Amino acid sequence: EAGVAQSPRYKIIEKRQSVAFWCNPISGHATLYWYQQILGQGPKLLIQFQNNGVVDDSQLPKDRFSAERLKGVDSTLKIQPAKLEDSAVYLCASSPEGRGAEAFFGQGTRLTVV
Amino acid sequence: GDSVTQMEGPVTLSEEAFLTINCTYTATGYPSLFWYVQYPGEGLQLLLKATKADDKGSNKGFEATYRKETTSFHLEKGSVQVSDSAVYFCALRGDDFNKFYFGSGTKLNVKP
Repeated sequence: EAGVAQSPRYKIIEKRQSVAFWCNPISGHATLYWYQQILGQGPKLLIQFQNNGVVDDSQLPKDRFSAERLKGVDSTLKIQPAKLEDSAVYLCASSPEGRGAEAFFGQGTRLTVV
Repeated sequence: GDSVTQMEGPVTLSEEAFLTINCTYTATGYPSLFWYVQYPGEGLQLLLKATKADDKGSNKGFEATYRKETTSFHLEKGSVQVSDSAVYFCALRGDDFNKFYFGSGTKLNVKP
């Protein structure tokens, strides 16, 4: 079974530039999560999709971050404009429905804003 | 809201020592509980889980028991190896729209 695919793996941009991350979840998983993991901290949920609808985006800085999930499958997360404090690893995860179902994580995208 | 609190690290142990990493949670309803591990340079992967009170999750010599009365899910291993050096995250999946909440992580260093 293919895992969660993310690209790119690494990205370096200057502040005020824009950047986009892509995620392809495991086939059939209804729930897709984007997390931000700052060095030394636990993953912080940015946005959660159920199929192609948003369940929770309460911690997404909507003035600069946006995300979409097309046709309930692939998802993109965009930052525009980037700030230095956005430097982090951006993790995508997907999960099937059902009590106790685990979240499967991609390798993440390491973003450095200089 | 739901949340997870785990002991701060780093934890440094000698090989074959006993490991405990504490995790407590706050949740409404009946969450499922998880331990994830992140090896250097890799993504998060599930280590073990438990879905109801008194369940014990186990994998690779690690164990954790879902204790509803103490709202805890402590991770234990009887004899750690150098290869266990990683960051360990406690997590819960709530009843509320299947949200996942993670603790801040505990870094484990095992010395030969």
